[in-house]
Amino acid sequence: QQPVQSPQAVILREGEDAVINCSSSKALYSVHWYRQKHGEAPVFLMILLKGGEQKGHDKISASFNEKKQQSSLYLTASQLSYSGTYFCGTEGNSNSGYALNFGKGTSLLVTP
Amino acid sequence: NAGVTQTPKFRVLKTGQSMTLLCAQDMNHEYMYWYRQDPGMGLRLIHYSVGEGTTAKGEVPDGYNVSRLKKQNFLLGLESAAPSQTSVYFCASSQTILDSPLHFGNGTRLTVT
Repeated sequence: QQPVQSPQAVILREGEDAVINCSSSKALYSVHWYRQKHGEAPVFLMILLKGGEQKGHDKISASFNEKKQQSSLYLTASQLSYSGTYFCGTEGNSNSGYALNFGKGTSLLVTP
Repeated sequence: NAGVTQTPKFRVLKTGQSMTLLCAQDMNHEYMYWYRQDPGMGLRLIHYSVGEGTTAKGEVPDGYNVSRLKKQNFLLGLESAAPSQTSVYFCASSQTILDSPLHFGNGTRLTVT
């Protein structure tokens, strides 16, 4: 059961801000965020846990609305190095496996 | 520390051939995972393991088998490869299942002709 991400793609100029959203149809214990650059493995950014605890990147912020089963990743004052594809991951269910299921990704391109 | 190591990095198979992908981690993690990545589809969970000797099905398990005979290794097998299994395969490991980061290997690019 993949979470749904929006938007699918974003193009920014350096210094601009972006928000990437992730929503699930089931109650969540945690939401993970990862970034993947072309031809590389995904890299961990952040975990948000039910109850408000966060683990991860200190220069990227995110929110987790447990009631709405949604999370948002906030990229402020974007840098060229922020370019890549961002994935959120949430726990699956009996049909999809209880480990992390990832969304289809949001492609972010930061231009000079 | 090497982290998560996948072998091989690239492989080309003919339809019907079999192969095994190997994943090894040196972080003493309990949990290990196999994902496949296709354009526009994100990362889809194939199988995972919650400890040595255990395996469980993910979103897209059909056509794959796995084994976790040793804690540090997680093997993904394709018994009879099909063109639909052309993909990039990522292995990952984590300390706990939902509240610790996944550490990914560098991936295996598999082409089935």
